[in-house]
Amino acid sequence: EDQVTQSPEALRLQEGESSSLNCSYTVSGLRGLFWYRQDPGKGPEFLFTLYSAGEEKEKERLKATLTKKESFLHITAPKPEDSATYLCAVRPGGGAQKLVFGQGTRLTINP
Amino acid sequence: DTGVSQDPRHKITKRGQNVTFRCDPISEHNRLYWYRQTLGQGPEFLTYFQNEAQLEKSRLLSDRFSAERPKGSFSTLEIQRTEQGDSAMYLCASSNWDRVKYEQYFGPGTRLTVT
Repeated sequence: EDQVTQSPEALRLQEGESSSLNCSYTVSGLRGLFWYRQDPGKGPEFLFTLYSAGEEKEKERLKATLTKKESFLHITAPKPEDSATYLCAVRPGGGAQKLVFGQGTRLTINP
Repeated sequence: DTGVSQDPRHKITKRGQNVTFRCDPISEHNRLYWYRQTLGQGPEFLTYFQNEAQLEKSRLLSDRFSAERPKGSFSTLEIQRTEQGDSAMYLCASSNWDRVKYEQYFGPGTRLTVT
């Protein structure tokens, strides 16, 4: 069964303190790994798609990387406005159109 | 640039009542998805449309749930005889067909509370 596990469940950082969020997955034939940001009471906001091991994508203070078993979302010198829940999702192979999500990492950046 | 919109944003209903939610996708997108999200969890896939055809349904979509996309544009999700366990955020997403890219864009969600 396709499965996505994110760690840690919650993370508190001081402003400027860099860290990484982890997304481990088991999937039959990965057709893409996706990172989303979700603010309380809102829908997920698309951040990145990664398609093959070794691929990296960057956006402002965020950088996503992908290996054959996991993905990392690195956050460099975070600001309070980066506080949100970060969701990881995979698209399985075999013609599936759905995304399978992890439970998310709730990130809080203290000023 | 209009994104995915959903209506209503919040719905409170009594157990046993029927509810219907609407989703308007990004205008040029031909694929539409429904997900359900409970507190502290990631979204769970419910169903998928390509144009007006419903091509994939999750086992989560019980007989009380029905979704339509009559003209390949907006979609509705109806829940009959609601139960307290149906309380959740219902999310709609849309995407365009692309052989390489596969990015789903989500709406703001409809928060359902069943009392």
